[in-house]
Amino acid sequence: DTGVSQDPRHKITKRGQNVTFRCDPISEHNRLYWYRQTLGQGPEFLTYFQNEAQLEKSRLLSDRFSAERPKGSFSTLEIQRTEQGDSAMYLCASSLGTSGRQAEQYFGPGTRLTVT
Amino acid sequence: RKEVEQDPGPFNVPEGATVAFNCTYSNSASQSFFWYRQDCRKEPKLLMSVYSSGNEDGRFTAQLNRASQYISLLIRDSKLSDSATYLCVVTSGTSYNTDKLIFGTGTRLQVFP
Repeated sequence: DTGVSQDPRHKITKRGQNVTFRCDPISEHNRLYWYRQTLGQGPEFLTYFQNEAQLEKSRLLSDRFSAERPKGSFSTLEIQRTEQGDSAMYLCASSLGTSGRQAEQYFGPGTRLTVT
Repeated sequence: RKEVEQDPGPFNVPEGATVAFNCTYSNSASQSFFWYRQDCRKEPKLLMSVYSSGNEDGRFTAQLNRASQYISLLIRDSKLSDSATYLCVVTSGTSYNTDKLIFGTGTRLQVFP
């Protein structure tokens, strides 16, 4: 399967614990995005990488959140000291570029986080 | 005001019907436009990009009006399998050239036999 993959698919954690999610983009895509989606809403942008450089972070991304893409391939999103409000679907997407067909972003299956 | 506004629906239509969804966006700097389809508890899947000249893919036709900042999706001959949430999406058009996606809240379609 050459699509975007994410791991784990589901995560249940207790409030205050740290969690880490992984995303593997489509292999030739140099742009990687993280989004968060809560029930009844569209996905909301969190952060973006071009190769290994993190170029933008949303105001939604508090200090408890950190993302990396160390070798410009897979990316990790870590949430420290989780809160119940962090419960959501965390989606990763990748694209080739920013214009025309290259701007099309393809999503992974997501990681569903439940904080109890 | 939300950056991308859609009627949440639901639209309940019989098989074979034609249904149209509309959305408006607020950022005139947006450069790219898309319709995504999302099934319950699944990831969004790209349905089609939307171009100024309008484009068609089988039973689906998308139109863009940049002057009015308005995007539409027309589905002809609806199938039961078209039941899903349809997300109107635009790019942010920021100076960072991020092209992060800005999503509407989606329009729910239910096709019945």
